[in-house]
Amino acid sequence: NAGVTQTPKFRVLKTGQSMTLLCAQDMNHEYMYWYRQDPGMGLRLIHYSVGEGTTAKGEVPDGYNVSRLKKQNFLLGLESAAPSQTSVYFCASSYGSAEAFFGQGTRLTVV
Amino acid sequence: GESVGLHLPTLSVQEGDNSIINCAYSNSASDYFIWYKQESGKGPQFIIDIRSNMDKRQGQRVTVLLNKTVKHLSLQIAATQPGDSAVYFCAENWSWGKFQFGAGTQVVVTP
Repeated sequence: NAGVTQTPKFRVLKTGQSMTLLCAQDMNHEYMYWYRQDPGMGLRLIHYSVGEGTTAKGEVPDGYNVSRLKKQNFLLGLESAAPSQTSVYFCASSYGSAEAFFGQGTRLTVV
Repeated sequence: GESVGLHLPTLSVQEGDNSIINCAYSNSASDYFIWYKQESGKGPQFIIDIRSNMDKRQGQRVTVLLNKTVKHLSLQIAATQPGDSAVYFCAENWSWGKFQFGAGTQVVVTP
């Protein structure tokens, strides 16, 4: 099993550009999450989903949108990137309230 | 708001010694806790978990202790090895899979 796969692994954006980060999991998990990780800080929840077709805001949702059209995929969109969105983004999935399995991360730089 | 925090940002341990990583949490309603290990350039990986109806749980070379009275969580690593060098995060379950992560502790294993 591949587990949780994120694409791309690295990206540089100019301020104002848009992009979509893709997360795919092959564990048939209902729950999926997007986190961001900044230096010296823990992971902060951006958005999450408890099932196909449902999404909800996390701790830091502003400037991001998500979609969960298929159970195995969770997309994170940045409509107009800002330098404050420079971060490492992690997708995770879990079976209910059990431990989450994380992807390898996407390092995004907004210049 | 409620938060999870770690007492020591960096822990230097000699190879072969035991490591103790501490974590304070403030949400008394949290009923599930997880320790994650994050190696450089990778996503967090599950180490061990514990539910609030327990005060101790052991895994392979790791032990998690939970003291609900003082809202304290610790991770003990026995006979620390170079491969244990990483950032360790504690996470508390707020509800149905939403976790609050601490800032992390960098463990450095010296020969």
